[in-house]
Amino acid sequence: DGGITQSPKYLFRKEGQNVTLSCEQNLNHDAMYWYRQDPGQGLRLIYYSQIVNDFQKGDIAEGYSVSREKKESFPLTVTSAQKNPTAFYLCASSIVLTGKSNQPQHFGDGTRLSIL
Amino acid sequence: AQSVTQLDSHVSVSEGTPVLLRCNYSSSYSPSLFWYVQHPNKGLQLLLKYTSAATLVKGINGFEAEFKKSETSFHLTKPSAHMSDAAEYFCVVSEPTGGFKTIFGAGTRLFVKA
Repeated sequence: DGGITQSPKYLFRKEGQNVTLSCEQNLNHDAMYWYRQDPGQGLRLIYYSQIVNDFQKGDIAEGYSVSREKKESFPLTVTSAQKNPTAFYLCASSIVLTGKSNQPQHFGDGTRLSIL
Repeated sequence: AQSVTQLDSHVSVSEGTPVLLRCNYSSSYSPSLFWYVQHPNKGLQLLLKYTSAATLVKGINGFEAEFKKSETSFHLTKPSAHMSDAAEYFCVVSEPTGGFKTIFGAGTRLFVKA
């Protein structure tokens, strides 16, 4: 079955450490997204990519970085510059960029990041 | 400006009774509207979408939503709640601007009592 795989499911970070969250999709989607979810809040967009080797900052990109070297992969790095990284991180994809069509986003099961 | 408001942060119903989750939106365009469901520690699953075809949209698991342009609303309903419906629900609006203009509501937590 096609879908989005996020790993690991749980991740712990020490102060001053960078960590990378994995997101892989086999849906052949062009667009991919990273969201952050905090308790009681909706999803906030970190980065998005509408095609390989292209990505754009979202609303809360500071302290995060991404790459899109392959169509199926969109890893997110949480850097030490992100002062409050504890959150649930969701990766999503869509056939083309939402807003260019009415195509919905498909989501992975998330990675929960905590600070040690 | 584009916005989406879920009018209730929590809704509690008894099993077998109707569910109503309310969503109002604001958009300068003819938006696409979506409802997603999220179970604990899981990703979001698409329930249904409105894309300017029929105003009454049927989704999975017996849910449906009605697009009312005059009221700028897209409320989610289900005739009879099941225990497995207990989850968080998100209303999402997306504008066809060619770029990326998608906003998620803050979510409504649905509790279902036995």
